[in-house]
Amino acid sequence: EAQVTQNPRYLITVTGKKLTVTCSQNMNHEYMSWYRQDPGLGLRQIYYSMNVEATDKGDVPEGYKVSRKEKRNFPLILESPSPNQTSLYFCASYSSGANVLTFGAGSRLTVL
Amino acid sequence: DQQVKQNSPSLSVQEGRISILNCDYTNSMFDYFLWYKKYPAEGPTFLISISSIKDKNEDGRFTVFLNKSAKHLSLHIVPSQPGDSAVYFCAASTAGGSYIPTFGRGTSLIVHP
Repeated sequence: EAQVTQNPRYLITVTGKKLTVTCSQNMNHEYMSWYRQDPGLGLRQIYYSMNVEATDKGDVPEGYKVSRKEKRNFPLILESPSPNQTSLYFCASYSSGANVLTFGAGSRLTVL
Repeated sequence: DQQVKQNSPSLSVQEGRISILNCDYTNSMFDYFLWYKKYPAEGPTFLISISSIKDKNEDGRFTVFLNKSAKHLSLHIVPSQPGDSAVYFCAASTAGGSYIPTFGRGTSLIVHP
């Protein structure tokens, strides 16, 4: 089944403790992206990657890092999480043929 | 500066009636428009799209209308069903931007039985 898989789905952590949210897609998509969803603010793009070793900032990149060492994986790294990064995070990959984003199921992160 | 605006955060509709969700955009370079639907605890899923060369696209109960001169699109759901209750995101993109979409803030639709 074609899908985008994120882990963990739920995480509670404390300020300053580094964490990584993994994202993997099995559709051989070149483009991948991370979004956060907050009440009243919709989906805001954090980082995106057009291909392996090609990443770029989205609208809200502060406090986040990403890497794209292989086509299928696009992890989101919070080096020193803060409470304002408490949010619902979505990874997505893009099919240029269908012009459609496929989203993962989401990762709900709480930073205390 | 929001390039894609959904000015109604929520909409409540009776089952069987029409639901109309609206979206406005400011960037005249946008030429491809999409609607995504999101249920709680799930990721958004693609619902329907329209290219700027059309003014209407229909898929079953869902129809998207595009008014390029007004920079406005709308999603019509007829008839509305309780299972349509979800958050709907409007998105717009450009061919020059490799179709990477810009999203609106979403409209939460509640369809009452």
